[in-house]
Amino acid sequence: DAGVTQSPTHLIKTRGQQVTLRCSPKSGHDTVSWYQQALGQGPQFIFQYYEEEERQRGNFPDRFSGHQFPNYSSELNVNALLLGDSALYLCASSYSYSNQPQHFGDGTRLSIL
Amino acid sequence: GIQVEQSPPDLILQEGANSTLRCNFSDSVNNLQWFHQNPWGQLINLFYIPSGTKQNGRLSATTVATERYSLLYISSSQTTDSGVYFCAVELFGDAGNMLTFGGGTRLMVKP
Repeated sequence: DAGVTQSPTHLIKTRGQQVTLRCSPKSGHDTVSWYQQALGQGPQFIFQYYEEEERQRGNFPDRFSGHQFPNYSSELNVNALLLGDSALYLCASSYSYSNQPQHFGDGTRLSIL
Repeated sequence: GIQVEQSPPDLILQEGANSTLRCNFSDSVNNLQWFHQNPWGQLINLFYIPSGTKQNGRLSATTVATERYSLLYISSSQTTDSGVYFCAVELFGDAGNMLTFGGGTRLMVKP
């Protein structure tokens, strides 16, 4: 039973570029959430996808967008990258219809030069 | 939004010692989870504990929802317990299940 998988594991970009991160949820899960973790801080909620729509959004600018596919996998897109976007990006999956814990992937470490 | 505070922020232990980590939250919650983030950045689920007490080996956790706090106990600590421990909560009545994380407790266990 595969857990939450994220790709790529590491990524280096320059300011102004665009990036796409990918996440496959744990088997049986239908909800995917994305979090940003800056160095030395706790993860911050970006947004959540359920039934291929954005269900909830944190305090992040429109440069951050996402998508969920019919197989429940998800992408996080960030446009016009800034130095401050350097962080660990974590994907979490859960099952929407019961009180169940969220499970996290190993993350994508994004560095902006 | 809901506030989540963890204490202590930093903790240094000798191997074999016991410790208690605390998480206070400012509102009623649907869900509370404890995580261990290892030096490689992996967030490991420790407990899903919106209320009550659970034990898993040397670790145990207690959440008193009515008083809005949770405790994580680590007994007979080992060097592999080092890392950052996060408490995260989901606000009661929330349409989604967004987790709000505390600032973490950074634990170092010395041999």
